[in-house]
Amino acid sequence: NAGVTQTPKFQVLKTGQSMTLQCAQDMNHNSMYWYRQDPGMGLRLIYYSASEGTTDKGEVPNGYNVSRLNKREFSLRLESAAPSQTSVYFCASSDVSGGDEKLFFGSGTQLSVL
Amino acid sequence: AQSVTQLDSQVPVFEEAPVELRCNYSSSVSVYLFWYVQYPNQGLQLLLKYLSGSTLVESINGFEAEFNKSQTSFHLRKPSVHISDTAEYFCAVRNFGNEKLTFGTGTRLTIIP
Repeated sequence: NAGVTQTPKFQVLKTGQSMTLQCAQDMNHNSMYWYRQDPGMGLRLIYYSASEGTTDKGEVPNGYNVSRLNKREFSLRLESAAPSQTSVYFCASSDVSGGDEKLFFGSGTQLSVL
Repeated sequence: AQSVTQLDSQVPVFEEAPVELRCNYSSSVSVYLFWYVQYPNQGLQLLLKYLSGSTLVESINGFEAEFNKSQTSFHLRKPSVHISDTAEYFCAVRNFGNEKLTFGTGTRLTIIP
C-alpha cells in the first residue's frame, strides 16, 4: 500500500519558471491538502479539497493553483515561481467525512527557486 | 477562524527526564485537537488526537495529552524521554464541520544523553 505519493522529491527552478507538483493517494480518501513547511513557521495550508470537484483556499494561496483531477490526484501548480516559494511542500489526504481524522502525509518535495 | 500557538520553538531535555510541550488554541466553536510528530527527514505522522470523550488521550509510545477547555490548551507530556523521541512536534486544530486542519509552528525536542 503506497499511501500518499508525491513527485518530484527535489526541484530547482529559476525565478519565473512554472512547474506542477503531483500528488496521488490510493486510500480512497475524500479530502486532500497541500501544505508548505518553512523554518519557524510550521506547516501552512495552501489549498485543500474536501471532495472530488471542489477546492478551497487555505492560509497562503497566493501564487499557487490546484486541480483535483479525480478522487486520487491533487496537483499544485506554480505559474511563475518566486524565491519566496522556496520551501518543502507536503501533500496529505484524509477521510474526515468518513470519521477518520488522521492525515496521511507524503514524503515531501523540496523546492528551491533561484 | 481557528489558530494554534506553540510558544516553545525548541525544548532541550535530558534523557529519562520528563517533558511537556505546550499548545494553546483559539476557536469560537468546538474543536478536534491533534499532535503530529516529524522525525528527521520524514513526513508528519499522527501521534495522538482528541475528538470527544475522555480529556486525557495517550499514544502507544508513552506520550499523553490533556484537553483543557477552560484554558484552551492541549499540552503534550511524557514522564521519561528517550533519544528516539528526538523530533519536531506539531499541535493542530480543526473546527467541527470544517475540513481545514491548522498547524502550530512546531516545537523541536532535543534529547541530551
